[in-house]
Amino acid sequence: GQSLEQPSEVTAVEGAIVQINCTYQTSGFYGLSWYQQHDGGAPTFLSYNALDGLEETGRFSSFLSRSDSYGYLLLQELQMKDSASYFCAVLGNNAGNMLTFGGGTRLMVKP
Amino acid sequence: DGGITQSPKYLFRKEGQNVTLSCEQNLNHDAMYWYRQDPGQGLRLIYYSQIVNDFQKGDIAEGYSVSREKKESFPLTVTSAQKNPTAFYLCASSSTSLSGTGETQYFGPGTRLLVL
Repeated sequence: GQSLEQPSEVTAVEGAIVQINCTYQTSGFYGLSWYQQHDGGAPTFLSYNALDGLEETGRFSSFLSRSDSYGYLLLQELQMKDSASYFCAVLGNNAGNMLTFGGGTRLMVKP
Repeated sequence: DGGITQSPKYLFRKEGQNVTLSCEQNLNHDAMYWYRQDPGQGLRLIYYSQIVNDFQKGDIAEGYSVSREKKESFPLTVTSAQKNPTAFYLCASSSTSLSGTGETQYFGPGTRLLVL
C-alpha cells in the first residue's frame, strides 16, 4: 500500500519562500506529483517528479529523493493567490495510473 | 474547449435514495476516476476505469457503483448502502500513457452531496 504524510498547515508572508514537505511509504511508484486546490475548487496539477532531483516550473519547484522517501514543493515569491491546499500524490506502478494522495497542506499567505 | 464537466454542482439525497453523479470528458482520455473528499482531508479513490466497459474498485468502493458504457462518460451512483455520503465528489481523467501527460490527472469542478 501507499501512505503519505504532509504538515496540515503552513503560514507565510507575501514575497517569502515556503517549503511543503511530503514523506511517503510505498511498495512501488512511478513518481511524485503535486496538486493545488483552492477552497471549493478542483485540484489542478502543479508538477511531477519521476526522477530524483529538482524540477522547476516558474515560481514553483518540486524535489524528490527516493532514497529518503521524501519530497517537497517549494514556492517562491509568494502571492496572496497562492493561499490554497497543496497535495502530494504518488503515481502507483500498478495498473490504472492511480494516484494516492496525502492529506494536504493548507497554505495561508499573509500580507 | 477540452475539459471535464460534472453535474449537478449540488445534490441532495434523502434517506434510502440512490443518486447519480454525472461526469463527462472530451479530452479523449481512456482512464477516468472518482474520488471522495471530506472536509480538510485528502482525496480517496472510489472507482477507476482504464477503458470502456471495464472498471475497478478503489479504496472506498462500498456503497457506490459505476458504469463505463462510453469513453466520454463515467457516472457514479451513491446507493442507499452508503451510510455517510455527505462529501465533495471529484471526477478526473488521464491518458494511460506514462510518457508526456500520462502522469497528470485532470479534474472536474466537483459535486457536493448533502443528505437531507
